[in-house]
Amino acid sequence: GAGVSQSPRYKVAKRGQDVALRCDPISGHVSLFWYQQALGQGPEFLTYFQNEAQLDKSGLPSDRFFAERPEGSVSTLKIQRTQQEDSAVYLCASSLGAGVETQYFGPGTRLLVL
Amino acid sequence: AQSVAQPEDQVNVAEGNPLTVKCTYSVSGNPYLFWYVQYPNRGLQFLLKYITGDNLVKGSYGFEAEFNKSQTSFHLKKPSALVSDSALYFCAVRALYNFNKFYFGSGTKLNVKP
Repeated sequence: GAGVSQSPRYKVAKRGQDVALRCDPISGHVSLFWYQQALGQGPEFLTYFQNEAQLDKSGLPSDRFFAERPEGSVSTLKIQRTQQEDSAVYLCASSLGAGVETQYFGPGTRLLVL
Repeated sequence: AQSVAQPEDQVNVAEGNPLTVKCTYSVSGNPYLFWYVQYPNRGLQFLLKYITGDNLVKGSYGFEAEFNKSQTSFHLKKPSALVSDSALYFCAVRALYNFNKFYFGSGTKLNVKP
């Protein structure tokens, strides 16, 4: 079946622009996660949704970062007024339940802020 | 605080030889431990996980990992390496009381030479 998909795969933005990154999780998956992966580093947790509820946003680095999942399926990560330090790969993952479930990752969106 | 450490940035091994990729963890309570592999321009793929039970966990593509509570380690192993195993490997831990969050190590690049 279809896995987690993300779009766009690559995004170049000028400093100060707003960007929106989309994640389509596996159908029926309750949990959805966003991660930021800097070059040469492991993924770092940004935020977590259980269905449409954003239960944990403790990893969002600033109030310029905003995520939503209004209908409990597709999610969008929005970054306002992008800065160069926002350049990274943004990974989305989903899991079937809300417990200790295996996460399935999308291919990521590589964001480059110039 | 929860964390994992991957002490080796890179591991080199000849094809056909056994391989080990090291991971140590620090977590309050019982750990849930995972290994993921990342190929270039692709998302993380799940290899195996330890939740409870047998300390030796078998996973995908012939990989296995041994949970050692006294040494707080969860090393990834494979008896005979393939060139196609060359990739970036990440260890991750999920805490019992905060199962929303994964903490990833910084990754180990595995190079398998023919």
